[in-house]
Amino acid sequence: DIQMTQSPSTLSASVGDRITITCRASQSVSGWLAWYQQKPGKAPKLLIYKASSLDSGVPSRFSGSGSGTEFTLTISSLQPDDFATYHCHQYNTYSSFGQGTKVEIK
Amino acid sequence: EVQLVESGGGLVQPGGSLRLSCAGSGFSFRNYDMDWVRQAPGKGLEWISYISGSGAIIHYADSVKGRFTISRDNAKNSLYLQMNSLRAEDTAVYFCVRDGGRGDKPPIDCWGQGTLVTVSS
Repeated sequence: DIQMTQSPSTLSASVGDRITITCRASQSVSGWLAWYQQKPGKAPKLLIYKASSLDSGVPSRFSGSGSGTEFTLTISSLQPDDFATYHCHQYNTYSSFGQGTKVEIK
Repeated sequence: EVQLVESGGGLVQPGGSLRLSCAGSGFSFRNYDMDWVRQAPGKGLEWISYISGSGAIIHYADSVKGRFTISRDNAKNSLYLQMNSLRAEDTAVYFCVRDGGRGDKPPIDCWGQGTLVTVSS
């Protein structure tokens, strides 16, 4: 099984900050990596797929990069609606998810 | 509108069984692979099972292999998860998801609202 490790687990930031979340895979997943945003009591919402493709309707302040075993999600200027939990997801071999990164208000 | 609606969650004792259902609408159900993903309280997402559109190909996570069975009835536009020998660690919200596979498209393009399974005596 491919293990996905996100860092940090919690990130404290302010509106307007640029933040980066990292996701590392235990073996190469090529570019088959997605990022989701989740708010309490809701299903996850897709932000990025194939490592860097922005899903339809997702603001351009979100971006993804990486390949192989290391990936990043960047929010260029954090907005109030962005305080949430973010999950990475590899779909190269079956599926597996990272443990999540909670972005909280500093 | 593409929609997935889960049902069947509830409280069950350790060692017990439960069957989850997921009704798909707004799309040609038989043409899509489907998965179950779960989320324990306060924890991350965990993929647990996959089934191809025809039902011919099935995969499970090691954590549920031998205890859970995924199936589908394309005539009823429905996906199922039979859960046996339930343990406390199976307590989670269970999501039914539409699998987009690999390609220039989202890997999961629709989520159900989730159904809560609580395993406790």
